[in-house]
Amino acid sequence: DAQMTQSPSTLSASVGDSITISCRASHNIHNWLAWYQQKPGKAPKLLIYLASNLESGVPSRFGGSGSGTEFSLTISSLQPDDFATYYCHQYNNFPFTFGPGTKVD
Amino acid sequence: EVQLVESGGGLVKPGGSLRLSCAASGFPFSSYSMNWIRQTPEKGLEWLSYINWNSGDTRYADSVRGRFTISRDNARGSLYLQMNSLRADDSALYYCARDKGSAGNSDFWGQGTLVTVSS
Repeated sequence: DAQMTQSPSTLSASVGDSITISCRASHNIHNWLAWYQQKPGKAPKLLIYLASNLESGVPSRFGGSGSGTEFSLTISSLQPDDFATYYCHQYNNFPFTFGPGTKVD
Repeated sequence: EVQLVESGGGLVKPGGSLRLSCAASGFPFSSYSMNWIRQTPEKGLEWLSYINWNSGDTRYADSVRGRFTISRDNARGSLYLQMNSLRADDSALYYCARDKGSAGNSDFWGQGTLVTVSS
């Protein structure tokens, strides 16, 4: 199973900041990685798929990069709506797995 | 508008059973593979099960294999999760999610149904 780790677990930031969240896979998942945003009481929302593809309707300030075992999610110019928890998710092989999350506050 | 609405959650005793349902609308359900995923504050997001468009391929996490069964009824636009031999650590918010393109690339999730396993 591909274990996913994320850093940091919590990130304190301000509106207008540029932030980066890292995700590491325990073995090569190629580019089969997605990023989700979740707000309290809501379902996760897909932001990025195939490591760097922006989901339709997602603002261009969100960007994803990486391949193999190292990935990152960058939010340029953080907006008030972006304060949430972010999860990486690998779908290279069953069982699919998620990272533990990074809370941006 | 794409909608996924889960139902069937509730309070059940250890060893009991529940059947979760996910009603899909706003898209051609029979063309999409689907997943069940659960979430707890302690363990986070945990993928549980996958079913392809025609039920020809089903997969399970080790934690639920042999106890949970995924199924679908394309004519009804519905996804199901039969959960047997429930344990306290199965308590969670259960989501159904639609795959976009590749298996596991879930682009739309329902709002979830809460399962509590307790005596």
